[in-house]
Amino acid sequence: SQELEQSPQSLIVQEGKNLTINCTSSKTLYGLYWYKQKYGEGLIFLMMLQKGGEEKSHEKITAKLDEKKQQSSLHITASQPSHAGIYLCGADIPPDSGYSTLTFGKGTMLLVSP
Amino acid sequence: EADIYQTPRYLVIGTGKKITLECSQTMGHDKMYWYQQDPGMELHLIHYSYGVNSTEKGDLSSESTVSRIRTEHFPLTLESARPSHTSQYLCASSDDRPGETQYFGPGTRLLVL
Repeated sequence: SQELEQSPQSLIVQEGKNLTINCTSSKTLYGLYWYKQKYGEGLIFLMMLQKGGEEKSHEKITAKLDEKKQQSSLHITASQPSHAGIYLCGADIPPDSGYSTLTFGKGTMLLVSP
Repeated sequence: EADIYQTPRYLVIGTGKKITLECSQTMGHDKMYWYQQDPGMELHLIHYSYGVNSTEKGDLSSESTVSRIRTEHFPLTLESARPSHTSQYLCASSDDRPGETQYFGPGTRLLVL
């Protein structure tokens, strides 16, 4: 089955610092999604990447998908307390599995200290 | 912003009770999903639907059941709740095209005593 490894598991950064979260797949990704989750709440969609080498940015968050489509990174520039939460990557299971849905990594918990 | 709703947000209930978790979306999405997430753990797909009268079991075995009588509504039912069912349940929906984003509801946090 598709497995997604996220690193680090948790991260504490000082406000204003940059940080990167990684998501690595054991198989070629059909589509890669980044979500943010506040504790005990639902997931908020951030970005989706489909093409090898693709890069997308929204406000201070940039996501990249490598050329081989097996690794993605999420980079936050000048972190703020509002960035704190759990960041999850999700991947489309390749279509030959019979149905299309998402497999998720275990998440990276980000804390931003003032 | 996604229009997908879940009720109740929090539920504390005794063992043996029947419960239904509601999920509704107003986006006209054909596909809907139920995920289960334990604290600090990854999400696991327990049910999904491609459209009205279509329901399938997901990767994680669950004693819950679902129904899809209307496009916008995808309720999840536990006939007899047990403490092992304590978890967070997240509903999501997406358009019926490859690679379409899944939008999530706020979740229902269930505690079975």
